[in-house]
Amino acid sequence: GENVEQHPSTLSVQEGDSAVIKCTYSDSASNYFPWYKQELGKRPQLIIDIRSNVGEKKDQRIAVTLNKTAKHFSLHITETQPEDSAVYFCAAIISGGFKTIFGAGTRLFVKA
Amino acid sequence: SQTIHQWPATLVQPVGSPLSLECTVEGTSNPNLYWYRQAAGRGLQLLFYSVGIGQISSEVPQNLSASRPQDRQFILSSKKLLLSDSGFYLCAWSQGLNTEAFFGQGTRLTVV
Repeated sequence: GENVEQHPSTLSVQEGDSAVIKCTYSDSASNYFPWYKQELGKRPQLIIDIRSNVGEKKDQRIAVTLNKTAKHFSLHITETQPEDSAVYFCAAIISGGFKTIFGAGTRLFVKA
Repeated sequence: SQTIHQWPATLVQPVGSPLSLECTVEGTSNPNLYWYRQAAGRGLQLLFYSVGIGQISSEVPQNLSASRPQDRQFILSSKKLLLSDSGFYLCAWSQGLNTEAFFGQGTRLTVV
């Protein structure tokens, strides 16, 4: 069926290091790939997204890459800070553009 | 600007009791509406989505149902709650195709 797989489930890095989270999706018709950050007890919020007509997008310390052929996309956070600690979800839009299917999430710990 | 309201924020209900969670969106028309459930420390599972009044798509067989009586109102219900219905329920909306989802604050449901 339609799914999004996300790795790793937990990631611990030292402050200032980089963090990389990887996802794969199954629906080759997917064209939109958002990333959400969820702080403890709060709602998920969009941090960056990428569409299938580009291979990379960057916003300050955050970047996303997309390989449509391999159906892979990744989130890269550089110069991590303690406030980056949260759960990060990748997602893919399927079923003609209406359904957002989420990965299982990555719990990121940034140690000061 | 658009806002989404979801209530209540927390709820403790006995097994076998009914459930009604309400979500409303302001500042937009004909939104796509979604109900997600997040078990403790887990990912976001899509339960229902709706692209218009009276149109409900169910994603997983379960003890819950959804209704959309008005354009910007989405209700999640159960006739008899089970222990396994405990979790963090999130309502979300999006506009059009292949766009970001905006989440409500969530309802933490504990079935005892």
